[in-house]
Amino acid sequence: DVKVTQSSRYLVKRTGEKVFLECVQDMDHENMFWYRQDPGLGLRLIYFSYDVKMKEKGDIPEGYSVSREKKERFSLILESASTNQTSMYLCASSDQYEQYFGPGTRLTVT
Amino acid sequence: DQQVKQNSPSLSVQEGRISILNCDYTNSMFDYFLWYKKYPAEGPTFLISISSIKDKNEDGRFTVFLNKSAKHLSLHIVPSQPGDSAVYFCAASAWTNAGKSTFGDGTTLTVKP
Repeated sequence: DVKVTQSSRYLVKRTGEKVFLECVQDMDHENMFWYRQDPGLGLRLIYFSYDVKMKEKGDIPEGYSVSREKKERFSLILESASTNQTSMYLCASSDQYEQYFGPGTRLTVT
Repeated sequence: DQQVKQNSPSLSVQEGRISILNCDYTNSMFDYFLWYKKYPAEGPTFLISISSIKDKNEDGRFTVFLNKSAKHLSLHIVPSQPGDSAVYFCAASAWTNAGKSTFGDGTTLTVKP
């Protein structure tokens, strides 16, 4: 079974803090993704990576950066957290079409 | 411009009846379509998919229909069960970028006992 884990289920941070969200997959997948899910807005792609050290912007990259130093790990970084980044963050990995998701991190920025 | 649309934010059906969830897309390059199911406080899980070379794919109680000319797909659940209550996301991919999918906004299905 593919397993995608995320470092935290719930996180509370203050405005202006630097936030790291970590994601690890154990199936040697090439592709990894970060999404945010907000009510009524579905899943919006922030960044994705198709290989180590490779990254591409998704639909809403502003305010975020990513890092992929190892194939199994994909990190999402909020350089200076803001209240509008309060959301559910979902990491996923894939080999081909089907994506496997982690359980999500509910981030609250106060 | 939203390339994948699920126009019904919610759907309520009685247990045992059919649930039909709809999805429309605009990008002609999409050639592979997927449905995911999401329970609260969990990540989405893959449910069923269909390639553009087919018009129907069936897996147990779940069937996906694809109408390429109308750029429309639907997910049928028969019979519906209370455990099917979840958010369902439609997603579409193009072979030119197979790993990346564009998702719809989701439809919340409630199956009443």
